[in-house]
Amino acid sequence: ETGVTQSPTHLIKTRGQQVTLRCSSQSGHNTVSWYQQALGQGPQFIFQYYREEENGRGNFPPRFSGLQFPNYSSELNVNALELDDSALYLCASSLVAPAGEAFFGQGTRLTVV
Amino acid sequence: QKEVEQDPGPLSVPEGAIVSLNCTYSNSAFQYFMWYRQYSRKGPELLMYTYSSGNKEDGRFTAQVDKSSKYISLFIRDSQPSDSATYLCAPWGDSGAGSYQLTFGKGTKLSVIP
Repeated sequence: ETGVTQSPTHLIKTRGQQVTLRCSSQSGHNTVSWYQQALGQGPQFIFQYYREEENGRGNFPPRFSGLQFPNYSSELNVNALELDDSALYLCASSLVAPAGEAFFGQGTRLTVV
Repeated sequence: QKEVEQDPGPLSVPEGAIVSLNCTYSNSAFQYFMWYRQYSRKGPELLMYTYSSGNKEDGRFTAQVDKSSKYISLFIRDSQPSDSATYLCAPWGDSGAGSYQLTFGKGTKLSVIP
């Protein structure tokens, strides 16, 4: 059984650019959630995908978008990057039921300059 | 008021001490109560969780939930230097975002001194 893997591990982008982050779910998991973790803060929920459909969204603007593929892997896209988007982006995979135990990848550290 | 409040510390204890980590929450819809451990520059790893009120023990770790007071605790017995990490409480349930997901506290940074 493979764990959750994210790529790339580190990324530096310029303000105004676009970025795509990738996540491979743990085997057998059909739900993917994305979180943003700023330095010294807890992870903040961005959105969740279940069977390729967005299934809930946190308080993030539309320039944060995502996709889930038939193999349950996922992408997070961020357009028009801002300096405040600098953070650790975490992907978590889970089964919806019973408790939604979420298993996290190691994260992608995004720096916007 | 934030949905989940957690004292960020830092908390420093000697090896062998009993550690008590706590959170409060405001959303009555939360059903499961997770604790994650996060080492520096790593993703969070699930430590344990409880359902509704009550206690759950796993080795040196005990998780406790009191839904009447909306209070979550994690106790670590015989703390070890390897327990040094940030501990995140994360209730799970419908927080109004249209799905069931985790809502994290800020995390408490723990250092266990040999």
